[in-house]
Amino acid sequence: AQKITQTQPGMFVQEKEAVTLDCTYDTSDPSYGLFWYKQPSSGEMIFLIYQGSYDQQNATEGRYSLNFQKARKSANLVISASQLGDSAMYFCAMRDVDSWGKLQFGAGTQVVVTP
Amino acid sequence: GAVVSQHPSRVICKSGTSVKIECRSLDFQATTMFWYRQFPKQSLMLMATSNEGSKATYEQGVEKDKFLINHASLTLSTLTVTSAHPEDSSFYICSATGLSNQPQHFGDGTRLSIL
Repeated sequence: AQKITQTQPGMFVQEKEAVTLDCTYDTSDPSYGLFWYKQPSSGEMIFLIYQGSYDQQNATEGRYSLNFQKARKSANLVISASQLGDSAMYFCAMRDVDSWGKLQFGAGTQVVVTP
Repeated sequence: GAVVSQHPSRVICKSGTSVKIECRSLDFQATTMFWYRQFPKQSLMLMATSNEGSKATYEQGVEKDKFLINHASLTLSTLTVTSAHPEDSSFYICSATGLSNQPQHFGDGTRLSIL
């Protein structure tokens, strides 16, 4: 069975600092996809970044980068130069490639950016 | 980017009422749509997977007679909460994808409150 673990329930980070959100996963499938989503207090789920299991390089999207360590089964999200608007819940998710692409989500990490 | 519209955004109704939530993909054909439920400060829990033109696949523990899902076209899926009770109050959010190797795009969610 697949499993996603986010061990940090909440984090405070100062504006302009970088923050790393941890995510570990467990799967026996050789092919999988890892996602990070942001959920502000308004509730919508915003796609941030994707890493495929066969991708050779770590994914980057603007201020977001994914530190993919396949052997350790970790896919940590790094947010650089934090902004007040980054305050939100962040979810790591893994896609099950055998079931129409359904996602399994971690418990989430609440990030609060302070001035 | 891909857009998924979910309606209504908020529903408040009396116990015993049936509530229908719509999920539309506005600029792509969604072969698969997913319905999630989220309680406050918790992660998203997958309720069911629906493929256009076929019966939905429900996750373990989700009552299919309680949560009716219809995916009659490539752009529309509906979730009907039948005879809703206060314990059904939650945040319901849909997502859609065209192909299993593409990211899921989420609607903005529906906050359901049953009095």
